[in-house]
Amino acid sequence: DTGVSQDPRHKITKRGQNVTFRCDPISEHNRLYWYRQTLGQGPEFLTYFQNEAQLEKSRLLSDRFSAERPKGSFSTLEIQRTEQGDSAMYLCASSSGGGSYNEQFFGPGTRLTVL
Amino acid sequence: DQQVKQNSPSLSVQEGRISILNCDYTNSMFDYFLWYKKYPAEGPTFLISISSIKDKNEDGRFTVFLNKSAKHLSLHIVPSQPGDSAVYFCAAPYSGGGADGLTFGKGTHLIIQP
Repeated sequence: DTGVSQDPRHKITKRGQNVTFRCDPISEHNRLYWYRQTLGQGPEFLTYFQNEAQLEKSRLLSDRFSAERPKGSFSTLEIQRTEQGDSAMYLCASSSGGGSYNEQFFGPGTRLTVL
Repeated sequence: DQQVKQNSPSLSVQEGRISILNCDYTNSMFDYFLWYKKYPAEGPTFLISISSIKDKNEDGRFTVFLNKSAKHLSLHIVPSQPGDSAVYFCAAPYSGGGADGLTFGKGTHLIIQP
């Protein structure tokens, strides 16, 4: 399977704990995006990498959130001191930037539940 | 502040008929728009896009229309099939254009009835 993969698919944690998610993009894609989706909402943009450089962050990405893409391949998203409001689906997407309109290919997501 | 709005949370259409999903936007500087389709427990899947300089783009059963003066776009599915039952999201570039992240509407749940 050469699509975007995310690990884990589900994560249950207690408030105050740290969690880390991993995303493996489509291998030839140099752009990688993180989104968050809550019930009844569309995906909300968090941050974007081109190769290993983090080029954009939304105001949703609070100080407790950090994302890395150290070698321009896979990426990790860490949430420190989780809060119940962090419960959501975290989606990763990648693109080659070569499509007409930046079509992004999404992974299946990591569902986070904070108790 | 929602820049892309889908005001119909759900839509029910009979199999074989036309499905029309609507989307309004506020930022006249958007370079392009995209439609995504999402099944439960899966990530969104790209469906079709349109440049802001065009008013129509067609791909098989799917056609997207753009009315810039009204800041409105619509996705037409003809004929509707049972496999089209999914949540459909309208999206546009977060910062207006380029290789940005996307800003999405809240989605419309399309239900195709036999």
